[in-house]
Amino acid sequence: AQKVTQAQTEISVVEKEDVTLDCVYETRDTTYYLFWYKQPPSGELVFLIRRNSFDEQNEISGRYSWNFQKSTSSFNFTITASQVVDSAVYFCALSEIRGGNQFYFGTGTSLTVIP
Amino acid sequence: DGGITQSPKYLFRKEGQNVTLSCEQNLNHDAMYWYRQDPGQGLRLIYYSQIVNDFQKGDIAEGYSVSREKKESFPLTVTSAQKNPTAFYLCASYTPGNTEAFFGQGTRLTVV
Repeated sequence: AQKVTQAQTEISVVEKEDVTLDCVYETRDTTYYLFWYKQPPSGELVFLIRRNSFDEQNEISGRYSWNFQKSTSSFNFTITASQVVDSAVYFCALSEIRGGNQFYFGTGTSLTVIP
Repeated sequence: DGGITQSPKYLFRKEGQNVTLSCEQNLNHDAMYWYRQDPGQGLRLIYYSQIVNDFQKGDIAEGYSVSREKKESFPLTVTSAQKNPTAFYLCASYTPGNTEAFFGQGTRLTVV
């Protein structure tokens, strides 16, 4: 079974629009970490955020915000006032402590911001 | 500066050859990982290692081998048994409690 599901394969928005990338995860652990990474065309993975399972506070960093809801096992990512530089593939990931610290990645969401 | 380095950036392999991809980290991380990414796809785990001299298979280990003789190094060998090795390979390191897993720049392997 897929541990991390990113149902949106591709999203296109016009510059300055807001966009939300969905992430749903599955785990039986009580202690785990959730991550978002950005992969620009160059290929490297750029870290955006980490959340532990005991901290459900939403977080805002500039135009980026994250909504973590354990009740729905979701960790969604919103970009406000999108820019062309936001065009990339975004990955959500889960790390389980009992699972030997493996990282489980979603299949990614390809975001295209149209000028 | 601390970081994780993969080399080479581009690699070409002839059919039937083994090739080794290098991954070195100076972050003092315990765990290291190898992922494969195919075009338009997510990351699939090949192998991972929690400590020196120990490693476990991931989801797609067939045709690959690894070693972890030093904490800093986790080389991946793509053997001739891997029938479709053309892909983008990413190495990562991580220690629980750290903020993030660090990724290398990736190696793009092409079979010619």
